Amino acid sequence: QKEVEQNSGPLSVPEGAIASLNCTYSDRGSQSFFWYRQYSGKSPELIMSIYSNGDKEDGRFTAQLNKASQYVSLLIRDSQPSDSATYLCAVYTGANSKLTFGKGITLSVRP
Amino acid sequence: GAGVSQSPRYKVAKRGQDVALRCDPISGHVSLFWYQQALGQGPEFLTYFQNEAQLDKSGLPSDRFFAERPEGSVSTLKIQRTQQEDSAVYLCASSLGASGGIGVYEQYFGPGTRLTVT
Repeated sequence: QKEVEQNSGPLSVPEGAIASLNCTYSDRGSQSFFWYRQYSGKSPELIMSIYSNGDKEDGRFTAQLNKASQYVSLLIRDSQPSDSATYLCAVYTGANSKLTFGKGITLSVRP
Repeated sequence: GAGVSQSPRYKVAKRGQDVALRCDPISGHVSLFWYQQALGQGPEFLTYFQNEAQLDKSGLPSDRFFAERPEGSVSTLKIQRTQQEDSAVYLCASSLGASGGIGVYEQYFGPGTRLTVT
């Protein structure tokens, strides 16, 4: 079992819809959780970080964390074509400071 | 301020050549990381520095890979006798890395170096 799993995808939603991206992780000691956005041919860009159970909102983005279920998600409201990218879930366990990434989910927002 | 910079952005090497990839982290960032990203995959950890100390090199795929950060700022990833399987994007990231406090572990990536071994 991979340490960080992003199984669903690719995901296609119409403009204005809510996109829901999911991620599960295996290490119960994981402390911090991040979502990165990666446009084709570009490097990952940090868009959200979440450290405690519950929801964290930043503009059109909401990150949700449930440590008991080892589950973290990203909701994008009012999706725009410019949101079309690959979204990477990353987990920090604190063991040696590295981030462990999922393989990413590709989101396409249809105009 | 300036973000993480990497050079060269693209490198083509013949199999067997040595290459050196440079990373200049965000000023004041203590921690520096190297990742390797294959097409369609998430970044995979290679190695980690805290200041000039290399604290983890468990992700380096072979002894042909070597990284250094001698003055705790700029870092170089060197690959000796390159092989075709070394073709990938090499990403450098940095973070504040000081103990305690929210946000110090957030990692910011440079643009990457795309290495193609022919």
